[in-house]
Amino acid sequence: AQSVTQLGSHVSVSEGALVLLRCNYSSSVPPYLFWYVQYPNQGLQLLLKYTSAATLVKGINGFEAEFKKSETSFHLTKPSAHMSDAAEYFCAVSDLGNTDKLIFGTGTRLQVFP
Amino acid sequence: KAGVTQTPRYLIKTRGQQVTLSCSPISGHRSVSWYQQTPGQGLQFLFEYFSETQRNKGNFPGRFSGRQFSNSRSEMNVSTLELGDSALYLCASSFGEGSTDTQYFGPGTRLTVL
Repeated sequence: AQSVTQLGSHVSVSEGALVLLRCNYSSSVPPYLFWYVQYPNQGLQLLLKYTSAATLVKGINGFEAEFKKSETSFHLTKPSAHMSDAAEYFCAVSDLGNTDKLIFGTGTRLQVFP
Repeated sequence: KAGVTQTPRYLIKTRGQQVTLSCSPISGHRSVSWYQQTPGQGLQFLFEYFSETQRNKGNFPGRFSGRQFSNSRSEMNVSTLELGDSALYLCASSFGEGSTDTQYFGPGTRLTVL
């Protein structure tokens, strides 16, 4: 069965510091992976997705993620945090078969301090 | 292009009542998925509709049901509400091409059951 694990339910960084949010996946086949962000009282917004093309995926708002098969990881990074990055971030994997179903991790809440 | 819209945004019901939530997908999208988000269980897949047919279903009791209309709009219904049904219900739409497709989420309907 497909699954993702997000390490760290809360991450705090200073403005300007590196952001690193961790995601590990479990999949019996090459996975399709996604990172979504959720701001308070809003839905989910796609940051980026990996669909077996380039292993380094660039997304919106300066975020990027690297697919590492040997480590079964898909960590999200941003070189320099901004106050507006404070939100909850979800890693997700597509389920198998002809379906749109996403299986989400438990989320990581990012706090950015001035 | 208008995004995914969900109505109503907020809803308060009492135990035993039933509720219907509505989702209008992005124009041209044929797939609509529903997710339940709670602090305890996180984001859980409810069901997915494609061209008026249920294509996938999550592990929820039969009190949760849905449908999709010919214009791709979707509704979900919860009968005999329980306190544990209090959650943010998110709808997502896509072209319906399967695992690699990007899903676009609406702002959600916040359901409170008293």
